Formats: sequence, structure tokens, C-alpha cells
Amino acid sequence: QQPVQSPQAVILREGEDAVINCSSSKALYSVHWYRQKHGEAPIFLMILLKGGEQKGHDKISASFNEKKQQSSLYLTASQLSYSGTYFCGTEYNNNDMRFGAGTRLTVKP
Amino acid sequence: DGGITQSPKYLFRKEGQNVTLSCEQNLNHDAMYWYRQDPGQGLRLIYYSQIVNDFQKGDIAEGYSVSREKKESFPLTVTSAQKNPTAFYLCASSMGAGAYQETQYFGPGTRLLVL
Repeated sequence: QQPVQSPQAVILREGEDAVINCSSSKALYSVHWYRQKHGEAPIFLMILLKGGEQKGHDKISASFNEKKQQSSLYLTASQLSYSGTYFCGTEYNNNDMRFGAGTRLTVKP
Repeated sequence: DGGITQSPKYLFRKEGQNVTLSCEQNLNHDAMYWYRQDPGQGLRLIYYSQIVNDFQKGDIAEGYSVSREKKESFPLTVTSAQKNPTAFYLCASSMGAGAYQETQYFGPGTRLLVL
């Protein structure tokens, strides 16, 4: 049930773009994206709902392709503060969510 | 200030000992969760509870036990049956029961180490 994230890690220079993918083998109700800094709790970024949609705030956005059971997180013009591990959480039924293994993003000056 | 608190921040366990991790929330959320995170890995669900006096096993419940006697509290006991308990434990809550697409809010975590 655990979604698969790719890539496992990515290193960027400030100002570069990145895409993180999350795919599931089962039909999804929603996809949640979180970012975690080392040793801290994950922080919620956004939810994408069944029906397919795209969301974003500032330079971080995401899409959800319900048919393909996939979601992608887009980070544009990356900043140093974007560094961390990004997790997707996939919701299959009521209150039952599973997280991917995470994508470690490092942004260098 | 609403939020989730976990205590202690660090916990040491001796061989054969049971230890209990505390999780309290004052967000009036119905659903609560426990996750385990190993170095460089994702979050794995241990137990979750959608309502008081009810809880379900997650993917890695063996060696753990929980209770949900109060809405605000969801303690996790790591029993001696859990042979590899060293990990970062995260508690979360969401408005939950009966609702989809609910954001999960995480506590600061407890790091458990075996002596």
C-alpha cells in the first residue's frame, strides 16, 4: 500500500527546478505532501483531491492524475529553505494514509 | 495555542523493558496516529485511532500497544517484544472520523534509544 516516490534524492543549485513523483498501485482518494527538516516533525504543504487537480502556493505546486494514480510536486526557482525530505501521503480510505519513503532535496548556494 | 505535544523528547530503554511514549493534543481532533521513522526512511504506520476507545493496527503493529481512553491522549507502549525499537516516533492527529482529505498535524517526535 505504500506509495513509491522518485527520485530518492536530488541536489540542486539555488534557482533550479525539481520534480518529485509519487505513484500508487491502488486507487487514491487524495494525496498529501509534507516536508520534513532533519530531526523535526513533518510540515503539511498541500492536499490534492480525487478528481484530479493542480494546486500551488508561491513556487511550490503539485498535480494529481487520478487515472494514473500519480502525483507530482514541482519546486521552481528553488531556495535554500526548500532543503529537506519531501513525503507524499496517499489516502486510500477513511483516515487510512500511507507515506512514501521520501525524497531528500538539497539546495546549495 | 493548539497543538500536539509528545514526551519525552528522548527515551532510553533497557533490554526487556516496556516504555510508554506520550502524545497529547488540544486540537479537538477525533483521529490520532503513531508512526515510526528509521534513519533515511519514510514514515510507517504503527496504530491509528479514529475515535475514543477504538483503534486499528497499522503496517507494523507487532511489539507495540496503544490505548485511547480520552480524545486528547493516545499513548504508545513499546513492549519487550519489539526487538528493534530504536527509531524516531511521531504522533499525529487529524480532524478525522468520517472525513476524507484531512491534514495530519504532527508532534515534535520522541527519539527512542536502546541501552
